[in-house]
Amino acid sequence: NAGVMQNPRHLVRRRGQEARLRCSPMKGHSHVYWYRQLPEEGLKFMVYLQKENIIDESGMPKERFSAEFPKEGPSILRIQQVVRGDSAAYFCASSQSGLAKNIQYFGAGTRLSVL
Amino acid sequence: GQQVMQIPQYQHVQEGEDFTTYCNSSTTLSNIQWYKQRPGGHPVFLIQLVKSGEVKKQKRLTFQFGEAKKNSSLHITATQTTDVGTYFCAGPGNTDKLIFGTGTRLQVFP
Repeated sequence: NAGVMQNPRHLVRRRGQEARLRCSPMKGHSHVYWYRQLPEEGLKFMVYLQKENIIDESGMPKERFSAEFPKEGPSILRIQQVVRGDSAAYFCASSQSGLAKNIQYFGAGTRLSVL
Repeated sequence: GQQVMQIPQYQHVQEGEDFTTYCNSSTTLSNIQWYKQRPGGHPVFLIQLVKSGEVKKQKRLTFQFGEAKKNSSLHITATQTTDVGTYFCAGPGNTDKLIFGTGTRLQVFP
């Protein structure tokens, strides 16, 4: 059952380091979404990508954060010069098409801890 | 911008009691989806409602979409400890992304 795969599951970084979070969508899915979840809070949309294109990055901070979904390979969420406030769970979801009526399937998430 | 609110934020019930969470959108929705997230887990899709006034049931769970397609509810009959988790509604925003509600965290005491 090749669901949405995220790695690593847990990531520890010191302030100022870079964090790279990977997401492989479900087979046949070409649309990827990244969300951030702080402890005891809801899911905040960050960015929506289709293969090689960023469709909507309105939820992503302008500085230090970037995302890509190359033609080959997983989607990457990159956080440069991490700060303590970046500590959160980052979930990736994929869907078959970009229509909002399509169901999103979530990965298990990456828990980022910044020391 | 578009907002999706849920109430209550938390609900503690005794096992066997009923539970309801309400979802309200600031805009009309073409559809609404519900997800469940267990503690320490990831969101899992439960159901999608599309039609005005639609009601769907999954065993002890009843989902309803309002006539105006701006609100929805999830009702659980006779809760069990396995129902523990956070329930999110989600509706489409612009560019086809999903806007998730604020969530209702359900705790069930045996």
